Amino acid sequence: QVTLRESGPASLKPTQTLTLTCTFSGFSLSTSGMCVSWIRQPPGKALEWLARIDWDDDKYYSTSLKTRLTISKDTSKNQVVLTMTNMDPVDTATYYCARDRSGPSAFDIWGQGTMVTISS
Amino acid sequence: QSALTQPASVSGSPGQSITISCTGTSSDVGSYNLVSWYQQHPGKAPKLMIYEGSKRPSGISNRFSGSKSGNTASLTISGLQVEDEADYYCCSYASSSTWVFGGGTKLTVL
Repeated sequence: QVTLRESGPASLKPTQTLTLTCTFSGFSLSTSGMCVSWIRQPPGKALEWLARIDWDDDKYYSTSLKTRLTISKDTSKNQVVLTMTNMDPVDTATYYCARDRSGPSAFDIWGQGTMVTISS
Repeated sequence: QSALTQPASVSGSPGQSITISCTGTSSDVGSYNLVSWYQQHPGKAPKLMIYEGSKRPSGISNRFSGSKSGNTASLTISGLQVEDEADYYCCSYASSSTWVFGGGTKLTVL
């Protein structure tokens, strides 16, 4: 069974750095074609793709957020980490990680999401 | 990268068919056969319903179908059921190896 689970702080203050961890099971991120993306959703708003890391360690970022994002993986721990710098209240959202097993194809399995609130 | 354009809402009665459109550009929907559709119930994570334009993952009802013409993709749900009431999002691969989502469509089953 494939599962992903996001973890990280529930709240941060403006200007702080967000670090989120996606811990997964049921697949290996060293398998050819495998990718993991981060996607967020502000309350009541649409989904927004943030970043992706591939099995071969290629990394891709949202054009509008690339200066603030860093994605990395620890294959031995089955984890993908996303950092986002200089957090702002508009970054308040539920953050999801999702798998794409034949990248690029589609996000076939999603984590449950973790809500992050940015407030002073 | 601008969001794909979806209608804010659509509605239908049980048993009817509805279609949700998703309009992009020649840099995303029009260039790649990599449009996917996601169903999201309140408070839940999105669920993949259609991938690569028209393919259904295992376990997804054949009442859900996808298509594409030019820069516009479409999701059709036939034989509407009450449980189909949810938000639906399209997503397309785009230039620079990025992904772009639509603004979402709220489906109401009357």
